[in-house]
Amino acid sequence: AQSVTQLGSHVSVSEGALVLLRCNYSSSVPPYLFWYVQYPNQGLQLLLKYTSAATLVKGINGFEAEFKKSETSFHLTKPSAHMSDAAEYFCAVYTGKLIFGQGTTLQVKP
Amino acid sequence: DAGVIQSPRHEVTEMGQEVTLRCKPISGHNSLFWYRQTMMRGLELLIYFNNNVPIDDSGMPEDRFSAKMPNASFSTLKIQPSEPRDSAVYFCASSLGAGMNYGYTFGSGTRLTVV
Repeated sequence: AQSVTQLGSHVSVSEGALVLLRCNYSSSVPPYLFWYVQYPNQGLQLLLKYTSAATLVKGINGFEAEFKKSETSFHLTKPSAHMSDAAEYFCAVYTGKLIFGQGTTLQVKP
Repeated sequence: DAGVIQSPRHEVTEMGQEVTLRCKPISGHNSLFWYRQTMMRGLELLIYFNNNVPIDDSGMPEDRFSAKMPNASFSTLKIQPSEPRDSAVYFCASSLGAGMNYGYTFGSGTRLTVV
């Protein structure tokens, strides 16, 4: 069965520092992968998606993710964190339906 | 586009009462999904519909939960009778087609508290 695992339930970075949120997938077929962001008391918002067109995917708010088949990874990065990036981030895999990881809370310190 | 609209935003009810959550998907989207979010279990898919027909309800926790989609613009999730362990945030999402190419669009959720 396809699944995703997010490494680290909580990540803390300083404003201006690199953001790296880790996601590994398990799939026997080429996966469709997604990153979503959830701000407090809001629904989930799509950040970016991988659908096999390109391994480096650019999303909204300066985020990007790289699909690495050899590492079965789809890590989310942003070169410079802003205070407004503080939120919970979810990696998801499409298996006929979207299955989400457990989420990673990003804290940005001033 | 107003997005996926859920009502109410907050619901507080007493154990044993019936609760009905409502969702209006994005116009033109033909798939609709109900998720539940809790600290312990994260985001769980409860049920999803395609063209108003329930396709997979394997995530519905028990017979106290039921969902309907009488037309393309409206869906309900009902809990009867409600229990404190049902307290969670319930999200509705919709997509065009299967959702593999575009992902899902989520509503703002209904925060349910059963006391």
